[in-house]
Amino acid sequence: DVKVTQSSRYLVKRTGEKVFLECVQDMDHENMFWYRQDPGLGLRLIYFSYDVKMKEKGDIPEGYSVSREKKERFSLILESASTNQTSMYLCASSLGRGRSDTQYFGPGTRLTVL
Amino acid sequence: GENVEQHPSTLSVQEGDSAVIKCTYSDSASNYFPWYKQELGKRPQLIIDIRSNVGEKKDQRIAVTLNKTAKHFSLHITETQPEDSAVYFCAAGYNNNDMRFGAGTRLTVKP
Repeated sequence: DVKVTQSSRYLVKRTGEKVFLECVQDMDHENMFWYRQDPGLGLRLIYFSYDVKMKEKGDIPEGYSVSREKKERFSLILESASTNQTSMYLCASSLGRGRSDTQYFGPGTRLTVL
Repeated sequence: GENVEQHPSTLSVQEGDSAVIKCTYSDSASNYFPWYKQELGKRPQLIIDIRSNVGEKKDQRIAVTLNKTAKHFSLHITETQPEDSAVYFCAAGYNNNDMRFGAGTRLTVKP
């Protein structure tokens, strides 16, 4: 059974702080994704990675960066948190590049920026 | 890039009735169309998917249809039950690397 975990369920930060959200998957998946989920907007892709040290911008990469130093771990970084980044952040992973595969989601991190 | 629109945003049905959720997509290259169910406070989970070489797929009370010419696909739930109440997301993409999600449909099944 695929397991995707995220470092925190709830996080409260102040404007201007640097924020790290971590995601770990245990199924040797090649693809990993970061989404944010906001009411009425669905799931919007921030960044994805199809290999270690590889990253691709999604639809809303501004204000975010990512790091994938190891295959199982994909980190989302908010360099200087702002109130409009208050959201639910979901990480996902899927099996392999170039395949149509199920995405498995983590439990989500609800980030509040004050 | 791909753009996915989903309708309706909210749907309320009586237990036992059918529910239909519709999505349209913009990129004719998209070949994978999953549907996810997200219960309150939980992560999205795949409930059914369809690939572009198939027009319809069923799994018990759930079915998905795909019309590639019109670029739309639909989720059909028959004999709805209260436990079907959740937010449903459609998605479309090519080989999973460029998946885009719809805005979601909040389904409420009234007992």
